[in-house]
Amino acid sequence: EDKVVQSPLSLVVHEGDTVTLNCSYEVTNFRSLLWYKQEKKAPTFLFMLTSSGIEKKSGRLSSILDKKELFSILNITATQTGDSAVYLCAAMNRDDKIIFGKGTRLHILP
Amino acid sequence: EPEVTQTPSHQVTQMGQEVILRCVPISNHLYFYWYRQILGQKVEFLVSFYNNEISEKSEIFDDQFSVERPDGSNFTLKIRSTKLEDSAMYFCASINYMQETQYFGPGTRLLVL
Repeated sequence: EDKVVQSPLSLVVHEGDTVTLNCSYEVTNFRSLLWYKQEKKAPTFLFMLTSSGIEKKSGRLSSILDKKELFSILNITATQTGDSAVYLCAAMNRDDKIIFGKGTRLHILP
Repeated sequence: EPEVTQTPSHQVTQMGQEVILRCVPISNHLYFYWYRQILGQKVEFLVSFYNNEISEKSEIFDDQFSVERPDGSNFTLKIRSTKLEDSAMYFCASINYMQETQYFGPGTRLLVL
C-alpha cells in the first residue's frame, strides 16, 4: 500500500531557529514529491520535486528529494512566527494519484 | 498571481441530496484534481482528471461521485446522494507540469445534515 510518512508530527521552536521537516514515501510508480503549507484553509503549494539531488529554494525555504532513499526534507531557515502552519508532504505517482502525509504542525514562538 | 476559484464557499445539504461543487482551474493547466479534508484529518485524494477523462481515482471516489468538465473551463464534482460522512472541505487543484507548480482553490465546506 502506498504511504507517505512525515516527521516529526509537531515541532515547537523559537523565532530565528532553523527547522528540518522530513518526509519518507513508499509509492508505486513514483513521479514527484510535493510540499505544501496549510494555515487556516487551503494548502499553499511550496515545491514540486521530480529529480533527485536538486535543491529547490524559495526565500528561506528549501527542499530536496532523494529518490534512492525515498525521502525529502523541507528546510526553513531564520524562522518567523508567520511560518507557523501545518506542512504537508505528498507523493504523486505516474497515474496522477497523490498520497498525502499527515503533516507536521510547526509552531514558532516569538 | 493565477488562482483557482471554487463555488460555493459553503454548502449545507440534507442527507440523500445531490450536490455539485464547482471549480475554475487555471486556464493553461491541463491536470485537475479534487481532494477532501475531513475536519481535523489529513488531505485525501479523490480523483485526477486529464484530457476530459479520469486519470486515477481513490477508493473514496465510488459510484456516488462523478466529475466532468462540461464547458472547457468549469470542473465539477457531483455527489449524487450525500451521506453524513461526506461532510468535509473539498479542494480543487490544478497542475502545470512544465512549470512544476500546483495551485489549490480556497475550498468548499460541505455540511451534510
